[in-house]
Amino acid sequence: EAGVTQSPTHLIKTRGQQVTLRCSPISGHTSVYWYQQALGLGLQFLLWYDEGEERNRGNFPPRFSGRQFPNYSSELNVNALELEDSALYLCASSLVGRGRTDTQYFGPGTRLTVL
Amino acid sequence: AQSVTQPDIHITVSEGASLELRCNYSYGATPYLFWYVQSPGQGLQLLLKYFSGDTLVQGIKGFEAEFKRSQSSFNLRKPSVHWSDAAEYFCAVGADGGSQGNLIFGKGTKLSVKP
Repeated sequence: EAGVTQSPTHLIKTRGQQVTLRCSPISGHTSVYWYQQALGLGLQFLLWYDEGEERNRGNFPPRFSGRQFPNYSSELNVNALELEDSALYLCASSLVGRGRTDTQYFGPGTRLTVL
Repeated sequence: AQSVTQPDIHITVSEGASLELRCNYSYGATPYLFWYVQSPGQGLQLLLKYFSGDTLVQGIKGFEAEFKRSQSSFNLRKPSVHWSDAAEYFCAVGADGGSQGNLIFGKGTKLSVKP
């Protein structure tokens, strides 16, 4: 069974640009989570989508946004990129999201570099 | 606020030696606890999890962890370390018992293995 997939693997952007990262969950999983892993800051929660709706959001500015599609795949959009947005962006999925924490399975990540 | 503390930033052990990685959490009720491992530039792989029941949990790759409520700890152990275990290890807790969806991660412990 395929795991969580993310694309692209690597991205290089310049300050002020916009970027879209994509995630496909494990088949049958309805919840998708996004995390940012920046150097020195650890793993920080960005967004949680379940059944097409945003359920929770971490402490990030509004220029970080996303959506979940009917097939449960998800996009993370980052507008007006800043140098400190350089990080590994990890997507995870779980079988049941609402009301409890189910085991989250992570993808390989997208490495974003902002110059 | 909930938190996870991994007191050791970096640990070096000899191949074949035993290993214990420490994790302390703060949460008033029964937590959902996880250990993940990350190789350089890769995503997170689930090693094991604790939701309820037996406080000694077995995971993949010969790892185990013990939940101790009285000490608010969930330490990871392995009786004999292999060179391939060199990686970064993250302890995580489900935020608010899972109701918020996201995981709260510790800062990680980097494991180096001496031949």
